[in-house]
Amino acid sequence: QKEVEQNSGPLSVPEGAIASLNCTYSDRGSQSFFWYRQYSGKSPELIMSIYSNGDKEDGRFTAQLNKASQYVSLLIRDSQPSDSATYLCAVRNFNKFYFGSGTKLNVKP
Amino acid sequence: ETGVTQTPRHLVMGMTNKKSLKCEQHLGHNAMYWYKQSAKKPLELMFVYNFKEQTENNSVPSRFSPECPNSSHLFLHLHTLQPEDSALYLCASSQDWTGNTDTQYFGPGTRLTVL
Repeated sequence: QKEVEQNSGPLSVPEGAIASLNCTYSDRGSQSFFWYRQYSGKSPELIMSIYSNGDKEDGRFTAQLNKASQYVSLLIRDSQPSDSATYLCAVRNFNKFYFGSGTKLNVKP
Repeated sequence: ETGVTQTPRHLVMGMTNKKSLKCEQHLGHNAMYWYKQSAKKPLELMFVYNFKEQTENNSVPSRFSPECPNSSHLFLHLHTLQPEDSALYLCASSQDWTGNTDTQYFGPGTRLTVL
């Protein structure tokens, strides 16, 4: 079993719609959760971090964490073509830091 | 990207060559990391340095040798690599490694091809 699981996609949504990206993890002791965006040929850049159960909103982005279900998600409202990228979920438990393989998002104009 | 820089951006080397990758961070951070990103695979954490001391080595082959002379600079020395080592090598930095809520910032990466 992989430490962090993501659907590879591609996930296609029309411009203006809500994109929902999901991630599950196996280490119940994980305490920090991150979403990174990676454009093709570029390095990952941090979008959101979340540490406690519930929702955390930042502009058009909302991260949701459910530790009991070992599930973390990222919602992107009013999706734009510029949001088209691969989204990486990352999970940390002290000295263990794991990334998922990423979900490719396509936002169609 | 300007906070963490990496050189070279692209490198082609033979299996018998010796080369080095360089990373420099301008963020005042104390922890630096090397990651490997292969096609269709998750990012793999290779090495962690916290306050210039290596704290993690995730079963990386000895043909990869890291060096951290100070908190701002990190090197990855390469020798007798294999074609399967071809990948994007990413450097990252964070305030420190001990905080469990720490955020990592990535450099642009070095695209390595081993012939």
